[in-house]
Amino acid sequence: DVQLVESGGGLEQPGRSLRLSCTASGFSFGDYAMSWFRQAPGKGLEWVGLIRSKAYGGTTEYAASVKGRFSISRDDSKSIAYLQVNSLKAEDTAVYYCTGVRYDSRGYLDRFDIWGQGTMVTVSS
Amino acid sequence: DIQMTQSPSTLSASVGDRVTITCRASQGVSSWLAWYQQKPGKAPNLLIYKASSLESGVPSRFSGSGSGTEFTLTISSLQPDDFATYYCQHYKSYPLTFGGGTKVEIK
Repeated sequence: DVQLVESGGGLEQPGRSLRLSCTASGFSFGDYAMSWFRQAPGKGLEWVGLIRSKAYGGTTEYAASVKGRFSISRDDSKSIAYLQVNSLKAEDTAVYYCTGVRYDSRGYLDRFDIWGQGTMVTVSS
Repeated sequence: DIQMTQSPSTLSASVGDRVTITCRASQGVSSWLAWYQQKPGKAPNLLIYKASSLESGVPSRFSGSGSGTEFTLTISSLQPDDFATYYCQHYKSYPLTFGGGTKVEIK
């Protein structure tokens, strides 16, 4: 089965760090871009960032709200994407979702069709 | 940043109704637009990508249309399983942004 499983969430104090993992199975992980989204309690969806596949440079993009504090990486040998979250703030409290993103034949992002179940991050003292 | 505005924010409808949700972009996004369905406590589920392409496994009662700045998601005959919140998202450029969501409730 095609699957993404996030892990690493939990309760953390402001200013601390967390590393979220997204483990993939059932699809060719290395061919996909990977993206992270989040959803604060009772709120809408927010894009966090994206890492391209190695074929497209493996480079990253981030939302302004997290740039400089969050970092996305990937280990294609293990089929895992990571979200390093530093200098946590209360407003980072959310469910964090990872997604697999297909490319189309021209190399553009095609669709965000594989989603994990999410992992909750709570930032509180 | 491209702002996405969805309307209505809440919609009350009955089983069998035709439902239309609108999404407007603050600047043109061509056809780089997706629609998602989300149920409480669950991850979003992709319904439509590239404005009008139906994701595999999604019922044909869902359809998407539009390009540029105006988009619609239509459910041709609302089913009990369709009561949920719907989001549009552009992926024309970074940052990717979502509409505020439309909650479809039982009338």
